[in-house]
Amino acid sequence: DARVTQTPRHKVTEMGQEVTMRCQPILGHNTVFWYRQTMMQGLELLAYFRNRAPLDDSGMPKDRFSAEMPDATLATLKIQPSEPRDSAVYFCASGLLVDTEAFFGQGTRLTVV
Amino acid sequence: QKEVEQNSGPLSVPEGAIASLNCTYSDRGSQSFFWYRQYSGKSPELIMFIYSNGDKEDGRFTAQLNKASQYVSLLIRDSQPSDSATYLCAVRGGSGTYKYIFGTGTRLKVLA
Repeated sequence: DARVTQTPRHKVTEMGQEVTMRCQPILGHNTVFWYRQTMMQGLELLAYFRNRAPLDDSGMPKDRFSAEMPDATLATLKIQPSEPRDSAVYFCASGLLVDTEAFFGQGTRLTVV
Repeated sequence: QKEVEQNSGPLSVPEGAIASLNCTYSDRGSQSFFWYRQYSGKSPELIMFIYSNGDKEDGRFTAQLNKASQYVSLLIRDSQPSDSATYLCAVRGGSGTYKYIFGTGTRLKVLA
């Protein structure tokens, strides 16, 4: 059953704490995307990787967000320090070829209080 | 101006009718266009994609692309209550980018 796996599914944290979200892309997929979804902004692209190399992270607030792919089976998104405005659902998606679909994980619902 | 624009809705149609969802994009070099469906509390899932001008049909769904007008649409024939969801338009930019930009989505309600 090939699917993108995200952990944790839900996270409640206090302002100022570090948050780490993890994503396991579908085996063999070489493109990984991080999106943030809010009611107001919809799905915003934060960063994406191709063959583990970061290609674009212009959608991320650089001072507090960082994204990495330590190996082909793991992508991470960190927020440090977290702020209430970071509350959103964070999706990871992976794909194989350029013009085929991106498969989404179930998302991490982050609440920063 | 947002890169990909959609009317947020809700768009309400009676069961059995045709639902028409529209999307415009700003990057003239955009190559590929996707329609995703997202149920409340769930992740987006692909309905169909289109690369060339014209129509592409898949079951009850038809995607239409007009690159000159920078416009892509999705028609859902014989709408069912189970089609009630948010429909997201996604566009891959040109110039060799792998970047997929999503619109904010149109909420569709199919009334039984």
